[in-house]
Amino acid sequence: EAAVTQSPRNKVTVTGGNVTLSCRQTNSHNYMYWYRQDTGHGLRLIHYSYGAGNLQIGDVPDGYKATRTTQEDFFLLLELASPSQTSLYFCASSDPNNYAEQFFGPGTRLTVL
Amino acid sequence: AQSVDQPDAHVTLSEGASLELRCSYSYSAAPYLFWYVQYPGQSLQFLLKYITGDTVVKGTKGFEAEFRKSNSSFNLKKSPAHWSDSAKYFCALSNTGANTGKLTFGHGTILRVHP
Repeated sequence: EAAVTQSPRNKVTVTGGNVTLSCRQTNSHNYMYWYRQDTGHGLRLIHYSYGAGNLQIGDVPDGYKATRTTQEDFFLLLELASPSQTSLYFCASSDPNNYAEQFFGPGTRLTVL
Repeated sequence: AQSVDQPDAHVTLSEGASLELRCSYSYSAAPYLFWYVQYPGQSLQFLLKYITGDTVVKGTKGFEAEFRKSNSSFNLKKSPAHWSDSAKYFCALSNTGANTGKLTFGHGTILRVHP
């Protein structure tokens, strides 16, 4: 079965810290996405990518960078973490030929102290 | 701009009752619509989608949803509900024109089914 994995599953850092969240998918999907989930906001799109080397800006990109190194791997970078970035982060992938159905990873809970 | 509204933050009912979770959307063209479920402590799982054709679509776990263009709704239904259906449910819309694959999510509805 196709899969999306994320690491780490939990991360605690301090304000100003440098954090990288990793996502790998074995779905052979071209599209990948990073979301954050916060109470009262649902899921909000941070960045997404159409393929290796491609990056698109999502709806809440401030304070985040992303990089897509291969078709499988998509990274989210927080270079100066702030408490407002404490959240649950999800990665997802999709096949654009399958009407945007997305497959989600297990999530990473990030706490910025 | 497109948007999705789930007007009920919480829904509580008894096992055996019929459930209906409301979702309305705003989009200028014909939408692709989705329902996802998130069980406590878990990730999102796909339930069903409407692309075109029959306005009643059936999904996993016994759920179905009805697309109503007349009032821009895509409500999720199941009868009877089971205590294991307790979870958070998200309605989402995809931009069909640009083929970005982007989903716009509602804020979610937390469903509690009492045994």
